[in-house]
Amino acid sequence: EVQLVESGGGLVQPGGSLRLSCAASGFTFSSYAMSWVRQAPGKGLEWVSAISGSGGSTYYADSVKGRFTISRDNSKNTLYLQMNSLRAEDTAVYYCAKISSTSWQEVSDDAFDIWGQGTMVTVSS
Amino acid sequence: AIQLTQSPSSLSASVGDRVTITCRASQGISSALAWYQQKPGKAPKLLIYDASSLESGVPSRFSGSGSGTDFTLTISSLQPEDFATYYCQQFNNYPLTFGGGTKVEIK
Repeated sequence: EVQLVESGGGLVQPGGSLRLSCAASGFTFSSYAMSWVRQAPGKGLEWVSAISGSGGSTYYADSVKGRFTISRDNSKNTLYLQMNSLRAEDTAVYYCAKISSTSWQEVSDDAFDIWGQGTMVTVSS
Repeated sequence: AIQLTQSPSSLSASVGDRVTITCRASQGISSALAWYQQKPGKAPKLLIYDASSLESGVPSRFSGSGSGTDFTLTISSLQPEDFATYYCQQFNNYPLTFGGGTKVEIK
């Protein structure tokens, strides 16, 4: 079964850091670009970041550029999101998502065909 | 960044109704558009990709159309399990963007 399971969310103070993980199973993880998408409480979906299959190419939303870092460990089938300098407006459910077309060097541009269940990040003092 | 404008933002409909949701892009995106369904407390689910291709396992009452800047998601006969929020998303270029969502409620 193809599955993505996020972990690492929680309550953190403004200015703090948190690292999210997303464990993948049921598909050849290294063959696909991956992404993080977030959803603030009661709001719509916001794309956050994406990474190529090799990990060598990344993209970020302007709202997180310079504060968040996406990475992956293909030997562990795991995607990460390192979040620093957190702000109240970063409070959201964070989803990892698999991009449907294969990719190695470049970040493929395609739909998200598999999503995790999400992990909640709350930034508050 | 490409902006996606969905309309309406919400609608009320009855079981069996035909429902149409539109998504307009601020610039041409060819057919690089997907539609997702999200139920409360759940992750989004892919329904349509490449503007009109039905994702495997999705009922045929869902269909998508359009290219360039104007796109449509149609539910031919609304079922009880279809009451949810629907989002369009463009993947023509980064940054990827989503529409604001359309909440489909029971009349």
